[in-house]
Amino acid sequence: DVKVTQSSRYLVKRTGEKVFLECVQDMDHENMFWYRQDPGLGLRLIYFSYDVKMKEKGDIPEGYSVSREKKERFSLILESASTNQTSMYLCASSKTWGANIQYFGAGTRLSVL
Amino acid sequence: AQSVAQPEDQVNVAEGNPLTVKCTYSVSGNPYLFWYVQYPNRGLQFLLKYITGDNLVKGSYGFEAEFNKSQTSFHLKKPSALVSDSALYFCAVRDSGAGSYQLTFGKGTKLSVIP
Repeated sequence: DVKVTQSSRYLVKRTGEKVFLECVQDMDHENMFWYRQDPGLGLRLIYFSYDVKMKEKGDIPEGYSVSREKKERFSLILESASTNQTSMYLCASSKTWGANIQYFGAGTRLSVL
Repeated sequence: AQSVAQPEDQVNVAEGNPLTVKCTYSVSGNPYLFWYVQYPNRGLQFLLKYITGDNLVKGSYGFEAEFNKSQTSFHLKKPSALVSDSALYFCAVRDSGAGSYQLTFGKGTKLSVIP
């Protein structure tokens, strides 16, 4: 089975801190994604990557950056956390494009105080 | 641009009754359509997908979905609901055209199955 692992289930950070969210997949998938999930808004794509060192902005990239140095690992970075970044963050991976399924991690619930 | 609408924030159904969770979509080309389920404090799990062919798609846990091109709908159904089906359900769409990469999700429908 595909496994997508997010390093933390819960995080509490202070405003202005630099925050790293880590995601690792074990199925040699080319594509990896970061979403945030907020009540009433569904899932919104922050960034995605289709290859090592390659990244593309999603719908809401402001205030975030990403890093993909190895195929299996995709990191989301909040350069200076703000309270409006309090959310559930979901990582996903998939094989190449087309109708391939995205597999999700369990999520990281981030609270910025 | 592609979009998905889930018109109901919440659906309540009695255990043993049939259930339907509605989804409509908009794409410029042909759609790839997906349903995912999310249990509390968990990530999303894939249920089923439509690519092409038979309009009735069968998936995990007894769920199925019917693709209707004329109504641009992809409603999720199950003949007999279980309490364990209570969860948040997301519909998603992607344009099958070349160069399209982004999966667009609906806002989710909370399904509550009442014992």
